[in-house]
Amino acid sequence: GAGVSQSPSNKVTEKGKDVELRCDPISGHTALYWYRQRLGQGLEFLIYFQGNSAPDKSGLPSDRFSAERTGESVSTLTIQRTQQEDSAVYLCASSFRTGTHEQYFGPGTRLTVT
Amino acid sequence: QQQVKQSPQSLIVQKGGIPIINCAYENTAFDYFPWYQQFPGKGPALLIAIRPDVSEKKEGRFTISFNKSAKQFSLHIMDSQPGDSATYFCAASMDGGTSYGKLTFGQGTILTVHP
Repeated sequence: GAGVSQSPSNKVTEKGKDVELRCDPISGHTALYWYRQRLGQGLEFLIYFQGNSAPDKSGLPSDRFSAERTGESVSTLTIQRTQQEDSAVYLCASSFRTGTHEQYFGPGTRLTVT
Repeated sequence: QQQVKQSPQSLIVQKGGIPIINCAYENTAFDYFPWYQQFPGKGPALLIAIRPDVSEKKEGRFTISFNKSAKQFSLHIMDSQPGDSATYFCAASMDGGTSYGKLTFGQGTILTVHP
């Protein structure tokens, strides 16, 4: 079956603009994670969704970042008033259920803020 | 206490060599330690994972060694091939509680295997 897909693959935006990044998880995967990968760095956890439970937003770096998920399907990560330090690859991962089970990553969205 | 420290940052070996990448953690509540492989332009893919109840796990040419008392674990790649050239990340997570399996990643190691 299809893996995790993300769109767009690349996004260039001007400082101060809002951007929306999309993630389509693997069908049937109830858990969904967003991570950020800065150039040459490891991945940083941003937010986690599990079914209809309240999301874990503990990794969001500021209130300019928000995310939504519709049921157990698509998720969108929104960054408002983008700053240059937001430039990074944003990765989405899904897993069959919570806990320490394999997370399948999408190819990421490369965001460049000019 | 949530950090995972990875070394070296980069590694160059000849084909057939055995690169070793090391990771150390502080949080003793971590109970799942995966290694991810990432090629340029792609998302990370799970390579192999271990839990602290075993000291070694082998899958094909990839082996994880785990030292619970030292809070360290390492990845060994036997008979390395040019196709193994990629960035490798160690990670750690804990089941249950409020962490929901979210992964804490090391900084990554860029491995180059020369033909």
